[in-house]
Amino acid sequence: SAVISQKPSRDICQRGTSLTIQCQVDSQVTMMFWYRQQPGQSLTLIATANQGSEATYESGFVIDKFPISRPNLTFSTLTVSNMSPEDSSIYLCSERDGMNTEAFFGQGTRLTVV
Amino acid sequence: GNSVTQMEGPVTLSEEAFLTINCTYTATGYPSLFWYVQYPGEGLQLLLKATKADDKGSNKGFEATYRKETTSFHLEKGSVQVSDSAVYFCALTRAGANNLFFGTGTRLTVIP
Repeated sequence: SAVISQKPSRDICQRGTSLTIQCQVDSQVTMMFWYRQQPGQSLTLIATANQGSEATYESGFVIDKFPISRPNLTFSTLTVSNMSPEDSSIYLCSERDGMNTEAFFGQGTRLTVV
Repeated sequence: GNSVTQMEGPVTLSEEAFLTINCTYTATGYPSLFWYVQYPGEGLQLLLKATKADDKGSNKGFEATYRKETTSFHLEKGSVQVSDSAVYFCALTRAGANNLFFGTGTRLTVIP
């Protein structure tokens, strides 16, 4: 399995500001994803990060709020824009290397908005 | 649609007790099934998987069998340890889908 490095591991941010989370994979992977895990909840898919094109967002998530980049097959960023306390969550980067394979996850970014 | 229904927690067990966490699913086609574990303060780790009916996934003493007739993938361990305290997520992916669908998670606490 690929090793996924995600940073920062945690941050405390002021409301109205933006935070960019980075995800680096140690090998080229086909698919990268961003999930949100709200306190005490399960994982919700935010979007699929597409290499060289715009991300594919799930219902309830929009590009203006969660812009995503994926410049190559090993790296992606998620920005949480104009943050509010409701954005306090764990954000997880994930990769899969084929349709019927398992997903692997980074260690997550624990975001607190004050 | 695709969904995973997972036994609600929290679950508290004494060390060496038997563990079962129930998971049932709804999916089109023939999904692959997974159990993930999230230890405190960490991301998700794949615990085990099964890709077709009657497959048994196993790892670290945990087992789960893919039961197509009951659409279930229950997680079991014969003797839990304090170090097994974590949140366990059941998940599926169906053929042709990009992402995984997760259950709500079950928090397990094992006390000495």
